[in-house]
Amino acid sequence: EAAVTQSPRNKVAVTGGKVTLSCNQTNNHNNMYWYRQDTGHGLRLIHYSYGAGSTEKGDIPDGYKASRPSQENFSLILELATPSQTSVYFCASGDARGGRLFFGHGTKLSVL
Amino acid sequence: GQQVQQSPASLVLQEGENAELQCNFSTSLNSMQWFYQRPGGSLVSLFYNPSGTKHSGRLTSTTVIKERRSSLHISSSQTTDSGTYLCALTGNTGKLIFGLGTTLQVQP
Repeated sequence: EAAVTQSPRNKVAVTGGKVTLSCNQTNNHNNMYWYRQDTGHGLRLIHYSYGAGSTEKGDIPDGYKASRPSQENFSLILELATPSQTSVYFCASGDARGGRLFFGHGTKLSVL
Repeated sequence: GQQVQQSPASLVLQEGENAELQCNFSTSLNSMQWFYQRPGGSLVSLFYNPSGTKHSGRLTSTTVIKERRSSLHISSSQTTDSGTYLCALTGNTGKLIFGLGTTLQVQP
C-alpha cells in the first residue's frame, strides 16, 4: 500500500509566524499535491509538483509557498501565517496527471 | 458554479439498507475517483473509474461520461460505512476537482 506521511499532525502557530508542513512519500510517485479542507469549500488545491525541483500554483496559492527538494519530499510553507489559514491540510501523491491519488493523514493547523 | 456536485448532501440509513450516492459534473472528464473519509480522518481511495462499472466488495461505482455523472452504490450498509464520500474528477487541466461530499450515517 502506498505511503504518504505528513508532519506534524497538529500545529498551533501565532499570527505572523512561519509554518512549514512536511510531506514524505515512499511510492516513487512523480506528482505531489497540497490541499486544504474547509467546511463548505471541500478540498482545494494549493500547490502541486510534477517532480523534484518543480512546483506549480494550484487554485488558491496566495499566502503559500511550496518546495520539492526531492522525489520523496514536498513541503508547504506559510511565511506569514494568518488566522484565515487555520484549516486541515492534506498532502497527496500520484503517479500520473489525473491518476489515482494517495493521501496522508492530514495536518490540523490553528493560527491564533 | 460548482463543477462537481454531489447528492444527497447527507443520508441516514438503517443498517442493511442500500445507498446510492450521485456525482454530477459540468466539465469534461478525463478520470473520476471516489474517496472515503472518516470524521477527522484521511481520504481513502475507493475507486479510480474513468468510465464504466467497477466493483469492490459491497461497493459499485458506475461512470457514464455522456450523461456527465458517476454513482457509488453501497449494498447492505454497515455502521462502519459511516463517514463522508467524496468524488473527484480530472478535467482537461489535469487537476483534480472535488465535490463537497455526501455524509452518510448508518444506524444500528
